[in-house]
Amino acid sequence: NAGVTQTPKFRVLKTGQSMTLLCAQDMNHEYMYWYRQDPGMGLRLIHYSVGEGTTAKGEVPDGYNVSRLKKQNFLLGLESAAPSQTSVYFCASSYSWGPGPYNEQFFGPGTRLTVL
Amino acid sequence: GENVEQHPSTLSVQEGDSAVIKCTYSDSASNYFPWYKQELGKRPQLIIDIRSNVGEKKDQRIAVTLNKTAKHFSLHITETQPEDSAVYFCGKNAGNMLTFGGGTRLMVKP
Repeated sequence: NAGVTQTPKFRVLKTGQSMTLLCAQDMNHEYMYWYRQDPGMGLRLIHYSVGEGTTAKGEVPDGYNVSRLKKQNFLLGLESAAPSQTSVYFCASSYSWGPGPYNEQFFGPGTRLTVL
Repeated sequence: GENVEQHPSTLSVQEGDSAVIKCTYSDSASNYFPWYKQELGKRPQLIIDIRSNVGEKKDQRIAVTLNKTAKHFSLHITETQPEDSAVYFCGKNAGNMLTFGGGTRLMVKP
């Protein structure tokens, strides 16, 4: 099993450009998450999904959109990139034994995004 | 009421010494508290977690203690080794989400 994979690994954008980050998992997990990691700020949740066709806002959703059309994929979109969105983006997934995030989250390798 | 405060932000210890990282929170509804380790350039990985029906959990050299009344929980690493050097994040559940502390960079000096 590949676990959780992310594409691309690195990307440089100009202000105002758009892009989509792809997260894929082959563990049949229900829950999927997108985090951003900035120095000294820890991991902050952008959006998450509790199952195929569902999405919900996290702590810092502004400027991002997501879609979960297939159970194994979770897409993160930036419609008009800003320098403040320069960060490392991590996707994660987990099982759900009932409501709530009570199980191990498996993280992808991360995407390093720079917005000039 | 969603934040988790984590201290210290950096911690340097001598190999073989113990390390303690503490997190505090304010949401009394939280009942799940994981700890993740992130080595340099790598992805975060779960190392231990605790639920609110227990006060302590151990796994070899690492342990987590929870004081639900005082709303704080701590990670204890004994007999530290150079490979313990990493950033450690505490977390807590909030609805369907986990919220994380700002991280502690642990450096174990040989």
